[in-house]
Amino acid sequence: GQQVMQIPQYQHVQEGEDFTTYCNSSTTLSNIQWYKQRPGGHPVFLIQLVKSGEVKKQKRLTFQFGEAKKNSSLHITATQTTDVGTYFCAGSILIAGNQFYFGTGTSLTVIP
Amino acid sequence: SAVISQKPSRDICQRGTSLTIQCQVDSQVTMMFWYRQQPGQSLTLIATANQGSEATYESGFVIDKFPISRPNLTFSTLTVSNMSPEDSSIYLCSVRAWGGDDEQYFGPGTRLTVT
Repeated sequence: GQQVMQIPQYQHVQEGEDFTTYCNSSTTLSNIQWYKQRPGGHPVFLIQLVKSGEVKKQKRLTFQFGEAKKNSSLHITATQTTDVGTYFCAGSILIAGNQFYFGTGTSLTVIP
Repeated sequence: SAVISQKPSRDICQRGTSLTIQCQVDSQVTMMFWYRQQPGQSLTLIATANQGSEATYESGFVIDKFPISRPNLTFSTLTVSNMSPEDSSIYLCSVRAWGGDDEQYFGPGTRLTVT
């Protein structure tokens, strides 16, 4: 089946530092989505990227889709304690019926 | 957006029994999915619940073990049959709403413990 890996698995940062998580797929993706899951909560949709090389920004968050549509990244500038949680990418391939398969996730801890 | 409720929120069940989890959405949605998530792990797609027809299961999941119903556009059930401790997990219902960006909304999850 489709495999979507994320690195790092865990990241501890001091509040105010930047954070980046990388998502890599074994196959070319149609779209990629990013979700955030707070401890004890359920995943919450952040954004979807569709085009090769696409970059989208949401305040301190920058999302990028690779040129080959096999990788993506999420960068958070100047982390805050509210950024704590696990960030998942989720990729879809059209021939699979457009279901989204979740990456392994990166757990972010922000130290105040 | 869509607001999703799941019942039960948690349960402790004995080995060999079955549990049915309900997922109710406050509006009609195009697609409904069932995921499983072990604590601290990623989400694994179990199946896509199709309205009026058999669910589409992912590799490693079969209908006999995880029968799914979707009688209309706002409701689905997932049954975990003949449970074993390995089935202990959080089961999440997810939906995709009409229009929008293909974003998926998740229910609060059902925490299942099998003893």
